[in-house]
Amino acid sequence: GQQVQQSPSSLVLQEGENAELQCNFSSTATQLQWFYQSPGGSLVSLLSNPSGTKHTGRLTSTTVTKERRSSLHISSSQTTDSGTYLCAIDPSGGSNYKLTFGKGTLLTVTP
Amino acid sequence: ETAVFQTPNYHVTQVGNEVSFNCKQTLGHDTMYWYKQDSKKLLKIMFSYNNKQLIVNETVPRRFSPQSSDKAHLNLRIKSVEPEDSAVYLCASSYWGGATLYFGAGTRLSVL
Repeated sequence: GQQVQQSPSSLVLQEGENAELQCNFSSTATQLQWFYQSPGGSLVSLLSNPSGTKHTGRLTSTTVTKERRSSLHISSSQTTDSGTYLCAIDPSGGSNYKLTFGKGTLLTVTP
Repeated sequence: ETAVFQTPNYHVTQVGNEVSFNCKQTLGHDTMYWYKQDSKKLLKIMFSYNNKQLIVNETVPRRFSPQSSDKAHLNLRIKSVEPEDSAVYLCASSYWGGATLYFGAGTRLSVL
C-alpha cells in the first residue's frame, strides 16, 4: 500500500494566510525531505528533516519520528508559493537512494 | 541556478522506437538517479548510480537501461518504447549519503 500519504490533496488560500501540510508514513524513515514542484514541473528540495523542527525562511517543518508524521507550515503565503508540495522518505533507512514520494499537496494561493 | 541538465526537454515518438535521454550534473556529486513521474504525478525511483556503479534498480522493465560514463553523467535508454512509458523522466544527483537531492527539469516523453 501507499507508504507516504499527504493531506490535504489540494488547498486554496488567499495571499497572506498560513498553510499547514501533513505527511504520514507507514515505514520507519531515517530520511525525510520536503520538495516543491512548480507548475512548470521543476522540482526543488525545500527541507531535509528526519526528526525535530527545522526552519528556513517562511517554512517550518516538524517531524515526529515515532509517530511517523511530518508537517510543513508555510507562513504568510504568497502567490509564488503556488505549486505542489511533495513529502519523501527513504524506507530502506539512512540514505537518499530509494526515496518514496507521496502524491503531494497542490497549493493554490490567490491574490 | 540549474546544475542538473537534462536533454531533450520533450520527445515524441512512436511505439517500438528507441529513445535516449541525457543527464549531466555540475555539482561534483557522486550519486545520480532516474525517477519517473507518471500522469498522476507520482514520482518513483528507477535507478541509482554511485561513482558509475549501479546501486539501486527497482522493478523496471528490461527495455530500460541506464548508462554512466563518469560520475557526472547518467543517461537513460529505452529500447522499443510502449505507450505506458509516456511520462516525465527526472534526473537527480546528490552526494553519497547526502541529505539533499538536486533535480533536473525533466524530459517529457510522449509515446503515440
